[in-house]
Amino acid sequence: ETGVTQTPRHLVMGMTNKKSLKCEQHLGHNAMYWYKQSAKKPLELMFVYSLEERVENNSVPSRFSPECPNSSHLFLHLHTLQPEDSALYLCASSQDFRRGGTDTQYFGPGTRLTVL
Amino acid sequence: GQQLNQSPQSMFIQEGEDVSMNCTSSSIFNTWLWYKQDPGEGPVLLIALYKAGELTSNGRLTAQFGITRKDSFLNISASIPSDVGIYFCAAAGGTSYGKLTFGQGTILTVHP
Repeated sequence: ETGVTQTPRHLVMGMTNKKSLKCEQHLGHNAMYWYKQSAKKPLELMFVYSLEERVENNSVPSRFSPECPNSSHLFLHLHTLQPEDSALYLCASSQDFRRGGTDTQYFGPGTRLTVL
Repeated sequence: GQQLNQSPQSMFIQEGEDVSMNCTSSSIFNTWLWYKQDPGEGPVLLIALYKAGELTSNGRLTAQFGITRKDSFLNISASIPSDVGIYFCAAAGGTSYGKLTFGQGTILTVHP
């Protein structure tokens, strides 16, 4: 399998549930990203991991908890979410993450999350 | 912060027509990328541009990295129904540490 994969593709959860989103990249990249895409809004960067270390946290609420156990896998743990958290959550990877870098990001298909 | 202004916001065209969209910014970037996103899917990279003035083609798609490093355009020639989707520009290498800045997207509708 190649590229960036995400599971599940669709998720419906209640506000009291705990769930996790999974991302896996098969590109040998060192950096991975979580984005949130809401309707009619630009992509919002949530977290960045470089060599398994979190290097960016864009003021994301603590009900979203990322985990990067190795350079190929990235998780987003969800708990006590709100209906406004319903969105498409996209994972991406790039070769590296560096200042002024030209590293192209490759996206997964996303997880469509609905919070009831 | 850095922003990309992408236009037009939406386009309705007939099959066979050519399409042009662009992104501009007041900031300088080192990389311009163009992505296409189908409904319910993640963005797929179409063209990557790494040098000012660079003109790159990918089939019916042509994109250019503006000489000022503040803009880029994407052209689609002889559009077909499967060109329907949202096209995003993205740029990197400005003052944001390695991050991509995204445009708002252009929604393309192609009528057969």
